[in-house]
Amino acid sequence: DVKVTQSSRYLVKRTGEKVFLECVQDMDHENMFWYRQDPGLGLRLIYFSYDVKMKEKGDIPEGYSVSREKKERFSLILESASTNQTSMYLCASSPHRGRQANYGYTFGSGTRLTVV
Amino acid sequence: AQTVTQSQPEMSVQEAETVTLSCTYDTSESNYYLFWYKQPPSRQMILVIRQEAYKQQNATENRFSVNFQKAAKSFSLKISDSQLGDTAMYFCAFTDTQGAQKLVFGQGTRLTINP
Repeated sequence: DVKVTQSSRYLVKRTGEKVFLECVQDMDHENMFWYRQDPGLGLRLIYFSYDVKMKEKGDIPEGYSVSREKKERFSLILESASTNQTSMYLCASSPHRGRQANYGYTFGSGTRLTVV
Repeated sequence: AQTVTQSQPEMSVQEAETVTLSCTYDTSESNYYLFWYKQPPSRQMILVIRQEAYKQQNATENRFSVNFQKAAKSFSLKISDSQLGDTAMYFCAFTDTQGAQKLVFGQGTRLTINP
């Protein structure tokens, strides 16, 4: 069964800490995404990546950075965690459209991050 | 920029009833894809149904069907014979066929099916 795996289901961090959220996919997908989910706001795109070492800002990149050193792994980094970054974080992956035309996206089961 | 709007934050129906969730979107593209995703308490996002904009026929998957009205930019989801397992958050999402290969989501509708 194909999967997107997020390393932590729940995480509690202190204000000012550097936080790493890890995402690994086993489908050889080119595209990977980080979303933030908040009640009433839906899912908002933070960063995405089309290929190894490539990254693009999404709609709310402030306070975040990403790393993609290997095709299967996409990390979200909170440089200095703040309480307004308390949220659910979802990772997703998809094949490049030139390779697969069904526009399938596969999601991880989320990391609920609390910053205190 | 594309936007997706779900105007119903919460809905509640009795088991076996039919329920319709609304979604509107805004885009200048002529070809695109629309999706409905379900997120149960397990938090795993599950694809419910997908519609290609250039296809006139509305997509159907078992008890789930859509009413796609391209001119009105409307994409509603109908769930027939609702079941307790349909209780979840439902998200409408959009992706274009050119440029950034990302999903744009609506705000979500929390659907509760009551026994």
